Amino acid sequence: QSALTQPPSASGSPGQSVTISCTGTGSDVGGYNYVSWYQQYPGKAPKLMIYEVSKRPSGVPDRFSGSKSGNTASLTVSGLQAEDEADYYCSSYGGSNNLLFGGGTKLTVL
Amino acid sequence: QLQLQESGPGLVKPSETLSLTCSVSDGSMSSSGYYWGWIRQPPGKGLEWIGSIYYSGNTFYNPSLESRVTISVDTSKKHFSLKLASVTAADTAVYYCARLAYYGDSAAYWGQGTLVTVSS
Repeated sequence: QSALTQPPSASGSPGQSVTISCTGTGSDVGGYNYVSWYQQYPGKAPKLMIYEVSKRPSGVPDRFSGSKSGNTASLTVSGLQAEDEADYYCSSYGGSNNLLFGGGTKLTVL
Repeated sequence: QLQLQESGPGLVKPSETLSLTCSVSDGSMSSSGYYWGWIRQPPGKGLEWIGSIYYSGNTFYNPSLESRVTISVDTSKKHFSLKLASVTAADTAVYYCARLAYYGDSAAYWGQGTLVTVSS
């Protein structure tokens, strides 16, 4: 059982928006603005898409955005494209130099 | 562009020690802004942080693995290493090394990953 809770799956049609949630506690997601989101294709290493809740690394399309409310963080993908179909993982600093991951969400573009 | 590359045996026997090394190229390991970490992913499952090390040698481990994990760093050779003792089949996974931000632990750079299978 993962420390952070994500829905196992999400889906949307091309052009639509989809939001993936990541729920923790006040000791991790809710306690720090240190939530990250990763995109992972099969057989590949994860790629950082969002850090510090809502910041995008250089090169990540602005279709990807992050937010947080209380103990739940969210990743929104707008204007869905076929290439967005992948697994998405959230992570959060958990205090005491501890790093937590969510169980992952498989995003399907219909 | 920073590059990381894992290396080590792909097959380890139960009860033995898993040993992996991550070589870092095209970048300094002595920056104060980053940790160097190990993350694993069992086949078909999610990511799990194993532990991290600062260039000075300070280490931080996942509490669930702490009793079996040792991470070390050699900045002169530009690599850091993972040892996981008393392995079982549950330790079978793709092991990634990564550079984590000092504040927030976000990982912008990852190795390609290496599959380690625990089997007799």
